[in-house]
Amino acid sequence: EVQLVEAGGGLVQPGRSLRLSCAASGFRFEDYTMHWVRQAPGQALEWVSGITWNRDTITYANSVRGRFTISRDNAKKSLYLQMNSLRSEDTAFYYCATFNNYGGYWGQGTLVTVSS
Amino acid sequence: QAVMTQEPSLTVSPGGTVTLTCGSSTGAVTSGNYPYWFQQKPGQAPRTLIYDTFNKHSWTPARFSGSLLGGKAALTLSGAQPEDEAEYYCMVSYSGGLWVFGGGTKLTVL
Repeated sequence: EVQLVEAGGGLVQPGRSLRLSCAASGFRFEDYTMHWVRQAPGQALEWVSGITWNRDTITYANSVRGRFTISRDNAKKSLYLQMNSLRSEDTAFYYCATFNNYGGYWGQGTLVTVSS
Repeated sequence: QAVMTQEPSLTVSPGGTVTLTCGSSTGAVTSGNYPYWFQQKPGQAPRTLIYDTFNKHSWTPARFSGSLLGGKAALTLSGAQPEDEAEYYCMVSYSGGLWVFGGGTKLTVL
């Protein structure tokens, strides 16, 4: 069974940093592109960033480019999101996900609240 | 970056049929955009119903189907049930590894 478990969310002040992690199990993590998706309270889903299995292609939404950095450790079957210069508009649930030719799988999400 | 457009809200009667669509500001949605459809209920994480245009997960009820319709991705629900009341999101892939979500459709079964 595919499982994605996010961690690292919490309350952080504007301008500060936070690092999210996602632990994967139940599939060959090292073979698949991974993504971060977020959802602000009461708002639609927003794709944030993606990284291919070999880190060859890394992409970001315009809203986070230059502030967020996605990375992965295939040996640890883990995905990360380093979030710098956080703004109030970054407040959201952050989901780890994979979308591939076997389907789409989501974690349960971790809440990031940016507030003073 | 492309903008994906979905109907903000739709209503279907129990047992009825409804089609949700997902159009792109940059042109027709094709199978090469690998359209996905997700269902999200209040307080829950999204759940994938359809991937790569029309493929279903093992948990996807048979009454849901995906297709391409008039240059858009489409999700059809045939025989709506009360438990299908939810928010539905489409998502497509663009070259360079970018993915874009639609704004969501709030489906009411009434």
